[in-house]
Amino acid sequence: GQQVMQIPQYQHVQEGEDFTTYCNSSTTLSNIQWYKQRPGGHPVFLIQLVKSGEVKKQKRLTFQFGEAKKNSSLHITATQTTDVGTYFCAGRDSNYQLIWGAGTKLIIKP
Amino acid sequence: EAQVTQNPRYLITVTGKKLTVTCSQNMNHEYMSWYRQDPGLGLRQIYYSMNVEVTDKGDVPEGYKVSRKEKRNFPLILESPSPNQTSLYFCASTPYHLNDSPLHFGNGTRLTVT
Repeated sequence: GQQVMQIPQYQHVQEGEDFTTYCNSSTTLSNIQWYKQRPGGHPVFLIQLVKSGEVKKQKRLTFQFGEAKKNSSLHITATQTTDVGTYFCAGRDSNYQLIWGAGTKLIIKP
Repeated sequence: EAQVTQNPRYLITVTGKKLTVTCSQNMNHEYMSWYRQDPGLGLRQIYYSMNVEVTDKGDVPEGYKVSRKEKRNFPLILESPSPNQTSLYFCASTPYHLNDSPLHFGNGTRLTVT
């Protein structure tokens, strides 16, 4: 079946370092959404990308949607403790169903 | 306040004892969905509903039932829970499934089946 692979599963960073998570789909997506889940919390919508090659920024977060609409990335510059959590991508397939990546957990090293 | 409300937040039960997890939204959303979250597997859809009296299976529907008799409520029913249904469950809603609106999630229900 259709899948969205998200890597890495975990990323440990020092505060102030950058963080990136990648999502790759086996098929072309209509759009892709990104969510953040804080520890003990629920997923919260961050952004949606629709156009091929689209890049959107939210302060220190940069979201990209690939030219072929099969991959996407989230990059956080200069991580802060408030960035801790798990980041999920969710791609919408041709049947308009959301296919979720397994998530990348951002951990700040003490 | 616009929200999705799930109850209970935590539930410990024994194998075979029927249980219901409630979900209610006050945003007049047409689409509602149930997910389970397990470590390393992300969010997997159990059932979804496009509107009242319309429900469909998601990726992992076995062992679960749902109903959508009213627009605001979408309960998840486990007729005979088993230990492999121990998980974190989320209910979510969105105004209309096909218009790309984001999902609004409830706070989650952590279920343990012994």
